[in-house]
Amino acid sequence: AQSVTQLGSHVSVSEGALVLLRCNYSSSVPPYLFWYVQYPNQGLQLLLKYTTGATLVKGINGFEAEFKKSETSFHLTKPSAHMSDAAEYFCAVSGAGEYGNKLVFGAGTILRVKS
Amino acid sequence: GAVVSQHPSWVICKSGTSVKIECRSLDFQATTMFWYRQFPKQSLMLMATSNEGSKATYEQGVEKDKFLINHASLTLSTLTVTSAHPEDSSFYICSALSGLADNEQFFGPGTRLTVL
Repeated sequence: AQSVTQLGSHVSVSEGALVLLRCNYSSSVPPYLFWYVQYPNQGLQLLLKYTTGATLVKGINGFEAEFKKSETSFHLTKPSAHMSDAAEYFCAVSGAGEYGNKLVFGAGTILRVKS
Repeated sequence: GAVVSQHPSWVICKSGTSVKIECRSLDFQATTMFWYRQFPKQSLMLMATSNEGSKATYEQGVEKDKFLINHASLTLSTLTVTSAHPEDSSFYICSALSGLADNEQFFGPGTRLTVL
């Protein structure tokens, strides 16, 4: 079984400040981990993903995340927030490879960027 | 990158009618597609897994006779909400499995269904 916990349903940062969105997962099989962004009334866009290899993953728009197996975490960061980053962010987990391809999503975190 | 489209983007219908939503993979073949629903201010909940040429697999609690899924080709899956009621109003999103080993899903833009 798999589950995802995103700490903080709302996060507010000032423009130019560090963005940190927290994600912890639970998985009984090796996980693949994803971060998606959703703008209002739109589908999901992949920011980045961890499958195998390097645990620090770089994605689009300056975002990155680090897979920490010992902490079962996959927190999303961005050094400097931009107004256009305001959106909802979802962390998701699936099984790695043959362990399954269903995505289980966290509850989401709404990021607000203040000018 | 891989593109997934959905049609219509929004639909308003009367209670008791049926609504069909199409999900298409535009530049790749998708043997597996997924259907999600998302209520306001909530996360995505998987409804069913759609495999080309076979019956869909529904998640627990999802009525298969109400949410009919057909995956007739490698680029098209349809979701039909039968006898829709106001509580079926939601944002429906499909995704298509890329076929790559990393299990990445490509998402459609979603369909907003409002049942009056």
